[in-house]
Amino acid sequence: EPEVTQTPSHQVTQMGQEVILRCVPISNHLYFYWYRQILGQKVEFLVSFYNNEISEKSEIFDDQFSVERPDGSNFTLKIRSTKLEDSAMYFCATGDRRGYEQYFGPGTRLTVT
Amino acid sequence: GQQLNQSPQSMFIQEGEDVSMNCTSSSIFNTWLWYKQDPGEGPVLLIALYKAGELTSNGRLTAQFGITRKDSFLNISASIPSDVGIYFCAGQKSNTGKLIFGQGTTLQVKP
Repeated sequence: EPEVTQTPSHQVTQMGQEVILRCVPISNHLYFYWYRQILGQKVEFLVSFYNNEISEKSEIFDDQFSVERPDGSNFTLKIRSTKLEDSAMYFCATGDRRGYEQYFGPGTRLTVT
Repeated sequence: GQQLNQSPQSMFIQEGEDVSMNCTSSSIFNTWLWYKQDPGEGPVLLIALYKAGELTSNGRLTAQFGITRKDSFLNISASIPSDVGIYFCAGQKSNTGKLIFGQGTTLQVKP
C-alpha cells in the first residue's frame, strides 16, 4: 500500500540554525500539507500546497517557514532560524483531492536546543 | 480560531466493551475524518465522512457525520488491546483542505 515517507525521523539542531524536513508524497497525490504536534497536544495545521503554490497558511507559518517541491517528488519544509518553541513533531500529509482524505507520514521529531 | 471539542479526553475500559467518543464544533464542516495515533507515529486514517447523516463502518469501527454538520461520532465495538491509542477527529472545509483537529481521546484497554 502506498504511503507517505518522511526524513529524517529525528533532527536535533541548535537554536538559530536552519533545518529542512523532507517528505515523499504518495505518487498520484497533488495536495500537500504540513502539520505539527507539540508533545502531548493536538495536531496543528501549518500550510497547504497545490500546483506549486501555497493555498493557505496558518499564523504559525511565519516568515521563518517556507515550503518547496524542488524536484517534482519531494516536498520540503524549511525553517530558516529555529527557535526553542519550534520543537515538535512535524507531519507531512498528502491527498489526491481537496476536501477529501489526507494521509499522514510517520513524522519528523525536531528538537531545538 | 475554529475549535473542535472532543470528548471524552480519556477512557479506560475492559477488553470486549464498546466505546463511544464524539466531536462537536460551533461551525459547519464539509468533511469529518477520524484518525488513530500510536505513540511516536503519525495519525492513521480510520474513517472519512462526507455527507450529513452519513454512517460509515470500517470493521469494528463506526462513525457518523452529524445532521447539523457540526458534530461527528466514533464507536468502537468489542474493544481489543490493540485499540489502545489516541483517537483524533478532524474537520475540513473543502475550500481550503486545512484540517482542524480535536484534542484527542486517549483509549486504554484492560485485557
